[in-house]
Amino acid sequence: QLQLQESGPGLGKPSETLSLTCTVSGGSVGSSSYYWGWIRQSPGKGLEWIGSVHYSGSTFYNPSLKSRVAISVDTSKNQISLRLSSVTAADTAVYFCARQQGLTNCDHWGQGTQVTVSS
Amino acid sequence: QSVLTQPPSVSAAPGQKVTISCSGSSSNIENNYVSWYQHLPGTAPKLLIYDDNSRPSGIPDRFSGSKSGTSATLGITGLQTGDEADYYCGTWDSSLSAGVFGGGTKLTVL
Repeated sequence: QLQLQESGPGLGKPSETLSLTCTVSGGSVGSSSYYWGWIRQSPGKGLEWIGSVHYSGSTFYNPSLKSRVAISVDTSKNQISLRLSSVTAADTAVYFCARQQGLTNCDHWGQGTQVTVSS
Repeated sequence: QSVLTQPPSVSAAPGQKVTISCSGSSSNIENNYVSWYQHLPGTAPKLLIYDDNSRPSGIPDRFSGSKSGTSATLGITGLQTGDEADYYCGTWDSSLSAGVFGGGTKLTVL
């Protein structure tokens, strides 16, 4: 059974770089059939797509975050990583990782990890 | 401001039917597959509908999806109190080269 688990520091300071990891079990991030994505939900708001990565290195990013975000895949650890630089309070959110069939269907999700940006 | 537009809320009585609309454009809904998700606070979102109108295994046929032009619709029949959740549509936007979600619709089962 495919499982995704997000991890990372729950608290960060403004202007710092946020780093999160998604560990995948029961499946391989090296599968050519899937993209792996990051999605977030800020307090009181809806889902926001951050970006997606394929094991080949192909990436797509939300244009509003593109200058600050990097998503990568580590097949040796079966993990997906998210780096978001120059964070502000507006980046406070629950961050989810998900497996994507194509680029539209997120068929498996992690439980999410809360990230708070505060001085 | 979301690229896809959904009503903020809908409501209906148990046993009734409800539809949730998702409006977009030719760069997203009209030319790309639409997915629908159910999200209960504090949990992982669940895929209800993919490729416009297909259900993953385990999703009851009370849930259905349809699309026409630049709009998509999620239908839920035989409403149950357990269906109370936030529902999101999602798709790819070819102009943005990015994934997009609707703003979400809160379903209340009265």
